[in-house]
Amino acid sequence: AIQMTQSPSSLSASVGDRVTITCRASQGIRNDLGWYQQKPGKAPKLLIYAASRLQSGVPSRFSGSGSGTDFTLTISSLQPEDFATYYCLQDYGYPWTFGQGTKVEVK
Amino acid sequence: QMLLVESGGGVVQPGRSLRLSCAASGFTFSNYDMHWVRQAPGKGLEGVAVISYHGSNEYYADSVKGRFTVSRDNSKNTLSLQMNSLGPEDTAVYYCARAVYTSNGDGLDYWGQGTLVTVSS
Repeated sequence: AIQMTQSPSSLSASVGDRVTITCRASQGIRNDLGWYQQKPGKAPKLLIYAASRLQSGVPSRFSGSGSGTDFTLTISSLQPEDFATYYCLQDYGYPWTFGQGTKVEVK
Repeated sequence: QMLLVESGGGVVQPGRSLRLSCAASGFTFSNYDMHWVRQAPGKGLEGVAVISYHGSNEYYADSVKGRFTVSRDNSKNTLSLQMNSLGPEDTAVYYCARAVYTSNGDGLDYWGQGTLVTVSS
């Protein structure tokens, strides 16, 4: 199975900060990667698919980039509702595999 | 309004079986591959099983292969997960999720609220 290594596992930030989370695949996955946000007690929510395409309804402060093995999720200006855990998910090949998650906490 | 509603979770003894269901509404269920994803308490997400829209293809995580079986009834808009030989490591919230495939990319765009499975004696 393709391994997804996400970093950091957690970070502390303040409202208005620029936040960057990275995900590395154990092999090339083209741009077959999505980013998901999960808040406590809730189901994950799709933010970005195909590495850089914003899911409908997701604020434009979220952006994604990358291709091949290295990917990045950026939140340009962190908002109070963005404190959550973020996961990458490769959909290049079955089984689809998630990164370990990055918890974004209040500084 | 698209909805996925899981049911069937609960407390079960090690070695026993449990069957989860996911009722879909608000979209043409038979057009979509469906996934089961689980999350152990305080842990990350793990893809468990996938079934193709027509039910002919299934994929499983190595951790559940041979023990879990995914199925669907497109006439009833229902997804199921039969879980056998359960162990404590299967304790988790189980989510069903819809897979979307587009020319621009794929993803899991709708999720249920999850159902908790606790394996304990």
